[in-house]
Amino acid sequence: ETGVTQTPRHLVMGMTNKKSLKCEQHLGHNAMYWYKQSAKKPLELMFVYNFKEQTENNSVPSRFSPECPNSSHLFLHLHTLQPEDSALYLCASSRSAGTNSGNTIYFGEGSWLTVV
Amino acid sequence: SQQGEEDPQALSIQEGENATMNCSYKTSINNLQWYRQNSGRGLVHLILIRSNEREKHSGRLRVTLDTSKKSSSLLITASRAADTASYFCATGIIQGAQKLVFGQGTRLTINP
Repeated sequence: ETGVTQTPRHLVMGMTNKKSLKCEQHLGHNAMYWYKQSAKKPLELMFVYNFKEQTENNSVPSRFSPECPNSSHLFLHLHTLQPEDSALYLCASSRSAGTNSGNTIYFGEGSWLTVV
Repeated sequence: SQQGEEDPQALSIQEGENATMNCSYKTSINNLQWYRQNSGRGLVHLILIRSNEREKHSGRLRVTLDTSKKSSSLLITASRAADTASYFCATGIIQGAQKLVFGQGTRLTINP
């Protein structure tokens, strides 16, 4: 138990569906992240939020839409996905970097997404 | 762009032996973090080492960092079957917020 909870753990959706992934952290952190892990590829950073503001969009297609209503919650809204978007989506959180040389980033268990 | 590259890609050893995994990277970093991932699960954080540190220990784990060579190593001593997992290094870069860039990982198998 890392203090970062993701739901659902598994999701199967059609290409025309709209669904959302949810992430909640109980660690009092101010930074939250979405990563994508596909087979045979390194983990890819998708989005970064710092104090609820999006600070990084790593050229992610617009069919992925993040939302961060507060520092504890992060959503990834999914719309008209493609089969190649099937992957493990990992949420993470950390304290904001501040002036030190960085903080531990804690990951959730991930949401397995299958697009059919 | 990919930053960390782990070596070897796969490692198989006998229980009780030591396992060493290496990581190389290309640009300046603020920190380097090692993670473990069991099949189909999330990432478990092992150790964070800052750019001004050279070595850190945690239980049976020892991590070194050589910023002049842009490399790091993770040593697991007295390995156990439960250590079987994939291990990733991730370079931490602070540009406003902190970003971690991961390598492909090393698949470690401990044989009983």
